[in-house]
Amino acid sequence: AIVLNQSPSSIVASQGEKVTITCRASSSISSNYLHWYQQKPGAFPKLVIYSTSYRASGIPSRFSGSGSGTSYSFTISRVEAEDVATYYCQQGSSNPLTFGSGTKLEIK
Amino acid sequence: QVQLKESGPGLVQPSQTLSLTCTVSGLSLTSNSVSWIRQPPGKGLEWMGVIWSNGGTDYNSAIKSRLSISRDTSKSQVFLKMNSLQTEDTAMYFCARTDTGIPLFDYWGQGVMVTVSS
Repeated sequence: AIVLNQSPSSIVASQGEKVTITCRASSSISSNYLHWYQQKPGAFPKLVIYSTSYRASGIPSRFSGSGSGTSYSFTISRVEAEDVATYYCQQGSSNPLTFGSGTKLEIK
Repeated sequence: QVQLKESGPGLVQPSQTLSLTCTVSGLSLTSNSVSWIRQPPGKGLEWMGVIWSNGGTDYNSAIKSRLSISRDTSKSQVFLKMNSLQTEDTAMYFCARTDTGIPLFDYWGQGVMVTVSS
């Protein structure tokens, strides 16, 4: 199974600050198969970024992603209060489909 | 619009079998795939398995021996059955539409909370 090591496990940021989350895979993944989700408290996860760098429908431009091979990153350029959530990376390259352990974003 | 909704018992006794239903609308199961994903309280997401649009299935090897996913396309329903439940199976269970080409989950149900307890 491909293990996704996500870091940090939590972030505390000020509104307007830039935050970056890293997702490292135990094996190389095609960039087509690395995706990011946002899960707000009490809600289901929402697709934010697909295939490394493409924003899902309705996602603001402050969200972006990059990476290749075994190293991927997710960035919020200017954090807003509504971005409080846990963020997960996910690989669709091989069975079992796996998720990172999550990064909890809080606002100062 | 696309909607998925999970249903099933909220409480299951240890060693018993869990049966859940995912009812979909706004899409056809003959051209769309659906996964089951679960999340224990306060923990991360675990993909359980998928039924592909062609009717084939894939399961997470960690639970494959206990899990079965099937569907009734005429009723737009996907079913999950998992046996020998233990307390560690207590979780929120989600169904989600699964893109076949670059497996991702773009539409989710609200989830159903299942507690395993006597």
